Amino acid sequence: KQEVTQIPAALSVPEGENLVLNCSFTDSAIYNLQWFRQDPGKGLTSLLLIQSSQREQTSGRLNASLDKSSGRSTLYIAASQPGDSATYLCAVRGGGGTNAGKSTFGDGTTLTVKP
Amino acid sequence: GAVVSQHPSWVICKSGTSVKIECRSLDFQATTMFWYRQFPKQSLMLMATSNEGSKATYEQGVEKDKFLINHASLTLSTLTVTSAHPEDSSFYICSARVGLAGGGSSTDTQYFGPGTRLTVL
Repeated sequence: KQEVTQIPAALSVPEGENLVLNCSFTDSAIYNLQWFRQDPGKGLTSLLLIQSSQREQTSGRLNASLDKSSGRSTLYIAASQPGDSATYLCAVRGGGGTNAGKSTFGDGTTLTVKP
Repeated sequence: GAVVSQHPSWVICKSGTSVKIECRSLDFQATTMFWYRQFPKQSLMLMATSNEGSKATYEQGVEKDKFLINHASLTLSTLTVTSAHPEDSSFYICSARVGLAGGGSSTDTQYFGPGTRLTVL
């Protein structure tokens, strides 16, 4: 069974800082890995999706990396802004076996960026 | 881009009633739809996988007789919470999977709906 862990659970930083969120997973047989943002009481906003054959994806101030063999992904946020405050979820989509096609989510990292 | 909608976006009901939540893929056909549940301050947990025209596959610990899933067409899946109780209060999110014919692995994509917040009094 796939297990996804996100560290830290919560993070508070002053505006302007660069930060890294971590995601680790136990089963490296993945199809892809996706980072989402979730605001309180809201649904999911997809940020970046990395296919299993890729090593990183970039969108604006966000950069996500994937090291499938070690079961790790990082989300790098540059020059953080108060509007970045949200919970960031990592989801791993299974590539085979009983996990095939299913997404397993981490518990998330709740980010607070202080003005 | 592909859009998945859910209806209703929120619902409040009395204990013992049944509630139906719809998940629609608006501009594509979804071979598979997934239903997730998110309790407050927790992450999303997969409840079941539904394929069009066949019975849903439920994750361990999810009562199939309580959470009825119907996937009657390639664009619509419904989740019915039967005899809802306060402990069923949660945020329910669906996702729709599409794999384009003739495409490679990168074309198998999953799109998430905006979620439905259920409160059972």
